[in-house]
Amino acid sequence: ELKVEQNPLFLSMQEGKNYTIYCNYSTTSDRLYWYRQDPGKSLESLFVLLSNGAVKQEGRLMASLDTKARLSTLHITAAVHDLSATYFCAVVPNTDKLIFGTGTRLQVFP
Amino acid sequence: KAGVTQTPRYLIKTRGQQVTLSCSPISGHRSVSWYQQTPGQGLQFLFEYFSETQRNKGNFPGRFSGRQFSNSRSEMNVSTLELGDSALYLCASSLRFSLVAGGRQETQYFGPGTRLLVL
Repeated sequence: ELKVEQNPLFLSMQEGKNYTIYCNYSTTSDRLYWYRQDPGKSLESLFVLLSNGAVKQEGRLMASLDTKARLSTLHITAAVHDLSATYFCAVVPNTDKLIFGTGTRLQVFP
Repeated sequence: KAGVTQTPRYLIKTRGQQVTLSCSPISGHRSVSWYQQTPGQGLQFLFEYFSETQRNKGNFPGRFSGRQFSNSRSEMNVSTLELGDSALYLCASSLRFSLVAGGRQETQYFGPGTRLLVL
């Protein structure tokens, strides 16, 4: 059974701190996506990682992909309150549809 | 450029009724996918349409159906509603059908969703 697991499920962190969200998946995938969702809102695309070793950065967020380990990380640097949201990773197995992870709810406090 | 739009945004129905949700993709996008989001099951793929044809389907009962029109607008229908159908239904559009795109940076853009409550 295909599984996409994120760790941790909930993350409460202080402003200015660094932390990493992990996304493990159980099957091969052509690519990996990271999305952000604010409460009551839709999904916003953050990153698309297309190959092994891919690294992308936008502001305080950096995503990387290790296809051999079937692992992606989303690293948060010097967190700010505006980053509070739920973050989802998603993979595309050969069934060619997005399979989402469990989500990580991030709360950044002063 | 306008984003993905969904109507209605909120809906309340009772068990046994049916409901139709609408999605208008980004102009020029030909692929429309539907997802169901619930607290218990998370985000689950329902189906995808491209050029008026269903190309992919998730593991949902036959009560869930959809269609796509020649202008790429899509509708999904849920018949004989159950309490468990209460969810946020998200529509997403992309340029091309296949996400397994041989290196192309294909991304789905999501609409604001329709929140359905079944009483």
